[in-house]
Amino acid sequence: GALVYQYPRRTICKSGTSMRMECQAVGFQATSVAWYRQSPQKTFELIALSTVNSAIKYEQNFTQEKFPISHPNLSFSSMTVLNAYLEDRGLYLCGAREGWDNYAEQFFGPGTRLTVL
Amino acid sequence: QQKVQQSPESLTVSEGAMASLNCTFSDGTSNNFRWYRQHSAKGLEVLVSIFSDGEKEEGRFTAHLNRANLHVSLHIREPQPSDSAVYLCAERMDSNYQLIWGSGTKLIIKP
Repeated sequence: GALVYQYPRRTICKSGTSMRMECQAVGFQATSVAWYRQSPQKTFELIALSTVNSAIKYEQNFTQEKFPISHPNLSFSSMTVLNAYLEDRGLYLCGAREGWDNYAEQFFGPGTRLTVL
Repeated sequence: QQKVQQSPESLTVSEGAMASLNCTFSDGTSNNFRWYRQHSAKGLEVLVSIFSDGEKEEGRFTAHLNRANLHVSLHIREPQPSDSAVYLCAERMDSNYQLIWGSGTKLIIKP
């Protein structure tokens, strides 16, 4: 079956430092990977969508300078939160999709929960 | 901007009674809607994907889509305490495959 792993599951960092999180697709080829953030009291916000052979597209309020993403192959993606501050805390989810079909399902990892002190 | 409104914010239902959750969306042109369940330990689990008006059943979970009313619902038949979780609806945009999320319903199933 299709599985998505995320590492680490939880992390704590000091304000102003950076942390990197990883997303691994197993059992399928992740042609696109979307990174979402679920902040306290908020729903999921799309940070960026990374599609193989295309530029990474960041949503409004999110930038490559703050959330650089790497998607080097069809099974792995990573995102770094640079200079993390209190407003960056939350649950970061990656959703990986196989294929280009509009009906293709997106599989989610369990998330990386970021706490900023 | 696309928006998805989800209700109720929280819901408590007795074990075995039907649980019903609702979402309204702002634009009916998208043809992809999904219901997810979020467990703290398991992450997001897709329950039902529905692409056209009408009903779609996946086990004990049934989604109803009424595009004219901009409404999609989820009904859980014979819910059990293990079904207690946060349920999220999401609309997927055709143009960029982006998911627009509802704010979630916290469902508690009482034994």
